[in-house]
Amino acid sequence: EIVLTQSPGTLSLSPGERATLSCRASQSVSSSYLAWYQQKPGQAPRLLIYDAFSRATGIPDRFSGSGSGTVFTLAISRLEPEDFAVYYCQQYADSPPTFGGGTKVEIK
Amino acid sequence: QVHLVESGGGVVQPGRSLRLSCAASGFTFTNYGMHWVRQTPGKGLEWVAIISYDGSNKYYAASVKGRFTISRDNSKNTVDLQIDSLRAEDTAVYYCAKDPGSGGWYGKYFHHWGQGTLVTVSS
Repeated sequence: EIVLTQSPGTLSLSPGERATLSCRASQSVSSSYLAWYQQKPGQAPRLLIYDAFSRATGIPDRFSGSGSGTVFTLAISRLEPEDFAVYYCQQYADSPPTFGGGTKVEIK
Repeated sequence: QVHLVESGGGVVQPGRSLRLSCAASGFTFTNYGMHWVRQTPGKGLEWVAIISYDGSNKYYAASVKGRFTISRDNSKNTVDLQIDSLRAEDTAVYYCAKDPGSGGWYGKYFHHWGQGTLVTVSS
């Protein structure tokens, strides 16, 4: 199965700053079948990005996804207070679907 | 608006069984594959199972194959997860999630999620 490694584990930033989160795959993720989710405490994950760079409905354009092959990135251009959360990547190119371990974006 | 509501979680002894249910609304249920995904503090998010739109195809994670059974009732817009021979490592929050498509093969990403139901396996 494809193992996804997210870095950093924790990102400490201030509101208004740019966040860059990394997701590396143990083998190539074909067709860029990679998604990103946001999870806040006590809530279910929420889909942000699918197919590596397509924003889900209702997701603000400050969230952007990029990458291909084995290296993918989620960028948040200007952090809003509601963006402080844990972010997960997930691949669906190979079976079974797998998730990364998450990156926590916390207020500095 | 898509709405998924899980139920059936609780505290269960090792070796016993439990049946989780997910009630869906706000979309044409019969068109979409449905997943179960679980989350533990230790192992994070783990995909568990998928059932295709018509129930004809089902796939499971290796860690649960043979103990978990996914099913759906398209007349009631529900998807269930039967969990047998529960183990301590099955302790988790279980989410049902909607696939963006019909749920062919292992499906794609998790388009919408329920709020989850907590299963605790303990003697």
